[in-house]
Amino acid sequence: GAGVSQSPSNKVTEKGKDVELRCDPISGHTALYWYRQSLGQGLEFLIYFQGNSAPDKSGLPSDRFSAERTGGSVSTLTIQRTQQEDSAVYLCASSVMGQGAYYEQYFGPGTRLTVT
Amino acid sequence: DAKTTQPPSMDCAEGRAANLPCNHSTISGNEYVYWYRQIHSQGPQYIIHGLKNNETNEMASLIITEDRKSSTLILPHATLRDTAVYYCIVRVATSGTYKYIFGTGTRLKVLA
Repeated sequence: GAGVSQSPSNKVTEKGKDVELRCDPISGHTALYWYRQSLGQGLEFLIYFQGNSAPDKSGLPSDRFSAERTGGSVSTLTIQRTQQEDSAVYLCASSVMGQGAYYEQYFGPGTRLTVT
Repeated sequence: DAKTTQPPSMDCAEGRAANLPCNHSTISGNEYVYWYRQIHSQGPQYIIHGLKNNETNEMASLIITEDRKSSTLILPHATLRDTAVYYCIVRVATSGTYKYIFGTGTRLKVLA
């Protein structure tokens, strides 16, 4: 079946502009996660959605970052007044809900954001 | 949150076993260890996970020490396509599900 998709795959924006990044999770996956990967670094957790609510926003680096999810499916990560340090690959993942032993997050290909 | 420590890079000859170590000395009793890998320009791909017992699947084996403070991912017969960054991850509970705490990973280069 279809995996997690993200759009755009690449985004170049000028410093100070707002950007929106989109994630389409796997159908039926109620949990959705956003991560950020700066050049040469590991993945940094940003936010997690359970359905349309976000119980854990602990990773959002500043109030310029926000995210929403509608219909329990598509999610949008918005970065306002972008800064050069926001340049990174933004990865989305989805999973089934629950706390069972067998659990796996499925990652999308990411959006590469470059702020000039 | 528990964190992981991995060597930044390793080389392995094609056809040989690749043994990738990970330290997670602050892991809690109910936190799982996961391994993912990331091939250039792609999203991370699941490999294997475990709690305290050794695990094996079609891709790899996971050996966890008895005190759970470290683990080793074993790729039994490395191929050139296994060249990737390998992440050892601790899964921590949060608000009804889990989140992954990633380390900086080990860049494995398989040599012909």
